[in-house]
Amino acid sequence: AQRVTQPEKLLSVFKGAPVELKCNYSYSGSPELFWYVQYSRQRLQLLLRHISRESIKGFTADLNKGETSFHLKKPFAQEEDSAMYYCALKKTSGYSTLTFGKGTMLLVSP
Amino acid sequence: SAVISQKPSRDICQRGTSLTIQCQVDSQVTMMFWYRQQPGQSLTLIATANQGSEATYESGFVIDKFPISRPNLTFSTLTVSNMSPEDSSIYLCSVEQGVSTGELFFGEGSRLTVL
Repeated sequence: AQRVTQPEKLLSVFKGAPVELKCNYSYSGSPELFWYVQYSRQRLQLLLRHISRESIKGFTADLNKGETSFHLKKPFAQEEDSAMYYCALKKTSGYSTLTFGKGTMLLVSP
Repeated sequence: SAVISQKPSRDICQRGTSLTIQCQVDSQVTMMFWYRQQPGQSLTLIATANQGSEATYESGFVIDKFPISRPNLTFSTLTVSNMSPEDSSIYLCSVEQGVSTGELFFGEGSRLTVL
């Protein structure tokens, strides 16, 4: 069975500091990985997906199959990045049944 | 992108009662997904609802407890039956962008508290 682990419940940094939100997964097949974000008083939304290899709001995430990781990174955190971040895994076949991690709350202080 | 409306946004319920959550989408979608988020926990998929057929339930969830309707391509309901305090959760409706993309749009959620 697939599993997504986000080891940190809370990550607190100062504005301008680098950020790395950790995500590890276990899946026997070839996974698709996503990061979802929920800002205060807003609904959960997609931030980025590993297939796109894109940078969204300064965030990037690289899939490392050797380490089974998909860490989310940003070189300089902003206060508006404060939110709940969820890593999610999708099986490469079948419907889009995502398996989510428990989430990491990122707090960026001025 | 899809706009999803859920009702109710929150409710306080008595043990043993049932509550139906409605999910309305502003466009036609093939699959709709119902998730549960218990306090301090991650999102867990309850079931996948396809129009015109019975919902497909994930391990640990059964139709008698969480009956789902999907009468058309823009609407679905999830009922939480015979509620207990353990059912206190946020229930989320979601739809997918495209087919099998993994890009989900979510409703705002329905926060249920069972006393």
